[in-house]
Amino acid sequence: DAEITQSPRHKITETGRQVTLACHQTWNHNNMFWYRQDLGHGLRLIHYSYGVQDTNKGEVSDGYSVSRSNTEDLPLTLESAASSQTSVYFCASSESWAKGTQYFGPGTRLTVL
Amino acid sequence: TQLLEQSPQFLSIQEGENLTVYCNSSSVFSSLQWYRQEPGEGPVLLVTVVTGGEVKKLKRLTFQFGDARKDSSLHITAAQPGDTGLYLCAPTGGTSYGKLTFGQGTILTVHP
Repeated sequence: DAEITQSPRHKITETGRQVTLACHQTWNHNNMFWYRQDLGHGLRLIHYSYGVQDTNKGEVSDGYSVSRSNTEDLPLTLESAASSQTSVYFCASSESWAKGTQYFGPGTRLTVL
Repeated sequence: TQLLEQSPQFLSIQEGENLTVYCNSSSVFSSLQWYRQEPGEGPVLLVTVVTGGEVKKLKRLTFQFGDARKDSSLHITAAQPGDTGLYLCAPTGGTSYGKLTFGQGTILTVHP
């Protein structure tokens, strides 16, 4: 069955380190999204991609970057982790703008000490 | 940017009770989606409402889209512990270009 996976599921890192969170989908979806979820703020969009080589900034993109070298993967990189980036991160994918159902991964809990 | 408000923020009820949660905005939605997120998991789509005044039913869940397409409600009949979770609404369609902007959600706890 098609699915969307995230790794690692839990990560503890130190301030200033570079961290990469992986997202892999086997739906063959064009659209992929990264969100962070914090108490009091709900889910906020970090970056998104509409296809290979396409990336766009979302609502809270500062300190994060993504790259899309193939259809299946959209890794999220924290260039220099900060304590304010402690959060739960969700990756999602959707087939197209018209078919707007987003399928979410299980999430990565990141703690920055 | 449209302001999206969900209420109540928290809801704690006993099994068998009915409840309604709301999603309101100052803007008109092209369409709106409701998701449910269970603890430790990602959100899962429940329904998409598209037409003003539309009512959709999913077993014990009834979703209604306001006539003016600026609000929506989710009514659960005879709630069960399995309904526990975070209920999120998000406008979609139109100029969202496939992106979702979620409300803060309603955290529902159903006690046995």
